[in-house]
Amino acid sequence: DAKTTQPNSMESNEEEPVHLPCNHSTISGTDYIHWYRQLPSQGPEYVIHGLTSNVNNRMASLAIAEDRKSSTLILHRATLRDAAVYYCILRGQAGGAGSYQLTFGKGTKLSVIP
Amino acid sequence: DSGVTQTPKHLITATGQRVTLRCSPRSGDLSVYWYQQSLDQGLQFLIQYYNGEERAKGNILERFSAQQFPDLHSELNLSSLELGDSALYFCASSPETARLETQYFGPGTRLLVL
Repeated sequence: DAKTTQPNSMESNEEEPVHLPCNHSTISGTDYIHWYRQLPSQGPEYVIHGLTSNVNNRMASLAIAEDRKSSTLILHRATLRDAAVYYCILRGQAGGAGSYQLTFGKGTKLSVIP
Repeated sequence: DSGVTQTPKHLITATGQRVTLRCSPRSGDLSVYWYQQSLDQGLQFLIQYYNGEERAKGNILERFSAQQFPDLHSELNLSSLELGDSALYFCASSPETARLETQYFGPGTRLLVL
């Protein structure tokens, strides 16, 4: 599996935008970039995913570099509820047919300061 | 609320014992994944079932086994428990087993082996 690199931790002020970077220099052409987050004491939850073009949804935006070797998850206005560990995950056909598990790295722990 | 339920929420047991963790996927989801989250190893994929059949294995110990029943609920059996098995165990479900499908995680079962 291609690897991702994320900062261990980041801080943001409440109501400010947050840019969470992810490097994936060995990404293959068929790998999608997914983001999940894990709030304290909860299971991970899906945030957003993309392939080449930038993507927006109600939770966040995903900006993908032209060479696809990096991406940035953008939270437009951080709230206290956004304090979580954010995982950048590449999803491809790993492990053979029908095997589509998520491979989590260490993620970025986002702290939001009131 | 992801729609995935896991029982029990907490489990305390002794070394050498056997426990069973239960997962009910979202209504209609055919695929169930089990993950283990420990402090030193992070979130790791254990095993996947799709419509009653095992589809993929990850870092699952031989002391651990799982099954998915006709009603699609799944159980993870952990036997000959060791202190190092103390962890959070999450299950996730998805409608099918496509690589782009979002996985919906349950709240987890916290296992403490004393």
